[in-house]
Parts: sequence; structure tokens; C-alpha cells
Amino acid sequence: ETGVTQTPRHLVMGMTNKKSLKCEQHLGHNAMYWYKQSAKKPLELMFVYNFKEQTENNSVPSRFSPECPNSSHLFLHLHTLQPEDSALYLCASSQETSGSRAGELFFGEGSRLTVL
Amino acid sequence: DAKTTQPTSMDCAEGRAANLPCNHSTISGNEYVYWYRQIHSQGPQYIIHGLKNNETNEMASLIITEDRKSSTLILPHATLRDTAVYYCIVRALTDKLIFGTGTRLQVFP
Repeated sequence: ETGVTQTPRHLVMGMTNKKSLKCEQHLGHNAMYWYKQSAKKPLELMFVYNFKEQTENNSVPSRFSPECPNSSHLFLHLHTLQPEDSALYLCASSQETSGSRAGELFFGEGSRLTVL
Repeated sequence: DAKTTQPTSMDCAEGRAANLPCNHSTISGNEYVYWYRQIHSQGPQYIIHGLKNNETNEMASLIITEDRKSSTLILPHATLRDTAVYYCIVRALTDKLIFGTGTRLQVFP
């Protein structure tokens, strides 16, 4: 139990569907992150939020739309995805986005997405 | 650009110390060394980090060479549950955490 909860754990969707991934952290952290992990590839940072404000968008296609209503919740809205978007999507949180402690990320267990 | 170099895979007998090396010969003076691990089908887990002094916590020890060009993560008594991919990451205080391909550690009985 890391204090970061992701739902759903597994999701199968068609290319025309709209779905959302949810992340919630119970650690009192101020920063939240979305990472993508495709098969046989390293984790890729997608988005960073600090105090609800987006501070990083790592050239992610617009079919991925993040939302951070408060420092404890993070969503990733998905629409018109492609099969190559199938991956493990990981949410993480940290106390801050800069400084030594910013490197101590707490990850959820991930949402495994399959796009048909 | 890869800032660290790690062996692709390593084996370790259960109960023995696992010593995982990492080369970071281009590390800058303001960059820290972080270690994470990822057990199959789970999210990565923070283990330890350091700047230049050796560090120890309940999970592991981190030994950083005096010139800071390499480091070793030590799991003193490896168990089967330590089988995972271990990531060595170099990061400055304002940088993002960028993961490489890591070392796949297999602990065998």
C-alpha cells in the first residue's frame, strides 16, 4: 500500500470510446504525475501537476487529456485512442516538484489499458 | 541522453548480498543518485537516494564512489521478493525523474 490508488486496474476500450483513469493520493502531497509504460520500453513522463496547476506536458497527443481538480486527485481522460496507446499508465505523487524530496515519488499500481 | 549505465540483468542467491552497480561518469556536482525498483506488474518503488555520502535505510545501502562517477546499491540479504527491475537515476534538484531500462535482478533459492 503506497498511499496512491488508481482505478480501474484494467481497462479495455475501442478506438471510438471515451474513458477516464482516476488517481487518488492520501499522502498530503502537492505534486502528481502521469507516466506511461509500454511493453519493453522505459517509463515515459506524460504530465506533471503542482498545486493543481499543470507544469509539464511532455508532448503528449491531445487524445490524452489530464485533469487535476485538487492536489489529491488526478484524472486522465482518454478519447479516440489508437492500439499503440495500449500500455500501463502509472500515477505518482511527491511532496514537491523541485528539491531533494521531489525525487521521492510514490506510485500507484497502475491502470493497464488495452485499446482494440 | 542516458545519464546512467547499468547491467541488463543479474542473479543473486537468496540470503546473499545483492550488489547492483551503476555508472554515471558524467554526473554533475548538483545531481543526486536515486534508486527505484519495480516488481512485476506493480508501480516503481523508491528505495534510496544520495549526493556524495553513503546512505543506508531499512531497505538498502547506497555506496557512492569518491569521484561520484559510479555507485552501488546493496541489498544486504536478498529474498525472493527482491526480484525486480532496479533503476539507477541521476537527477538535479529541478529536474524530472527520468527512468532508463534498469537492471533485472533475479533472486534464486
